[in-house]
Amino acid sequence: GAGVSQTPSNKVTEKGKYVELRCDPISGHTALYWYRQSLGQGPEFLIYFQGTGAADDSGLPNDRFFAVRPEGSVSTLKIQRTERGDSAVYLCASSLDGGAWETQYFGPGTRLLVL
Amino acid sequence: GQQVMQIPQYQHVQEGEDFTTYCNSSTTLSNIQWYKQRPGGHPVFLIQLVKSGEVKKQKRLTFQFGEAKKNSSLHITATQTTDVGTYFCARGSNYKLTFGKGTLLTVNP
Repeated sequence: GAGVSQTPSNKVTEKGKYVELRCDPISGHTALYWYRQSLGQGPEFLIYFQGTGAADDSGLPNDRFFAVRPEGSVSTLKIQRTERGDSAVYLCASSLDGGAWETQYFGPGTRLLVL
Repeated sequence: GQQVMQIPQYQHVQEGEDFTTYCNSSTTLSNIQWYKQRPGGHPVFLIQLVKSGEVKKQKRLTFQFGEAKKNSSLHITATQTTDVGTYFCARGSNYKLTFGKGTLLTVNP
């Protein structure tokens, strides 16, 4: 079946602009995660959704970052007033129901470049 | 924080040579997961280790979990060019994964 998909694959924006990144998880997966990966680093946890609710948003770096998952499927990561330091690959992952030690399936990521 | 440290950061081998990457934690791990990320790609799950002293094999890949559950290793026998990529270990804590910085493996054909 289809894997996790993310759009756009690349996004170039200017400092101060607003961006939205979309994630479409594997069908039937109730758990959804956002990670951010900077060059030469491993992915860093941002936020975890169980269904429609954000069960853990402790990884969001500041209040410019916000994510929603209104119908428990597609999720959107929103970044306001982008800064050059926000440039990274934003990865989305999903798993069946967020149980302990479940395999997380990653999407191809969105490469964000803030000029 | 509950970080995991990986060494080495980079490893270049000749095709056919063996390769090992190590993952260490200062605290006990409930589980350790390994992922592979090809250049330009996304992390792909390889394996999960849960039990103390556990050893799992996948063809030429051997994964070990230390007896104290504070370290883990991934060993590749007779590397091939298809093994190129970054190998990450990640500690799992319920739903959250904390990744190491990874080991970038390059293979000279």
